[in-house]
Amino acid sequence: NAGVTQTPKFQVLKTGQSMTLQCAQDMNHEYMSWYRQDPGMGLRLIHYSVGAGITDQGEVPNGYNVSRSTTEDFPLRLLSAAPSQTSVYFCASSYGPGERGNTIYFGEGSWLTVV
Amino acid sequence: GENVEQHPSTLSVQEGDSAVIKCTYSDSASNYFPWYKQELGKRPQLIIDIRSNVGEKKDQRIAVTLNKTAKHFSLHITETQPEDSAVYFCAPNTGNQFYFGTGTSLTVIP
Repeated sequence: NAGVTQTPKFQVLKTGQSMTLQCAQDMNHEYMSWYRQDPGMGLRLIHYSVGAGITDQGEVPNGYNVSRSTTEDFPLRLLSAAPSQTSVYFCASSYGPGERGNTIYFGEGSWLTVV
Repeated sequence: GENVEQHPSTLSVQEGDSAVIKCTYSDSASNYFPWYKQELGKRPQLIIDIRSNVGEKKDQRIAVTLNKTAKHFSLHITETQPEDSAVYFCAPNTGNQFYFGTGTSLTVIP
């Protein structure tokens, strides 16, 4: 299993540009989510999904869109990039509540710089 | 959402000493209490977890203790080694949303 795969690993954007961070998992996890990590701020939840066709907002959703058309894929779209969106982004997945546990599996991260 | 706090935010210990990190949370419905370790430039990874029907769990040099009444749980690392240097996150949850603490940076001094 590849686990959670996210691309690209590094990206530089100009202010106002849009882009999509791709995320895929091959563990048949129902739950998927996106986090951003900034120095001293920990991991902040952007958006999450509890299954195909279902998405919801986390702590810091402004400026980002998501969709979940399949169980495997959960792309994150930056609509109009701003310097405040310079961060490291992590995609994550898990089985969700239940006997199999709530362990979160993270992708390797995407380093995004907006200039 | 869950209000999660970790203390301390930074911690330095001598190699061989013990380290303790505390996590407090607000949602009394939380029933799953994991700790994640993130090495520099890497992704966070689960190191130990505990469920609400258990008070303590140990795995070699690491342990987690839970106090549901007071709504906090702690990570204990004994006989610390340089490779324990990392940022540690707690993420108490009910399984529907996963909110992380702001992290504790642990430095083990050889």
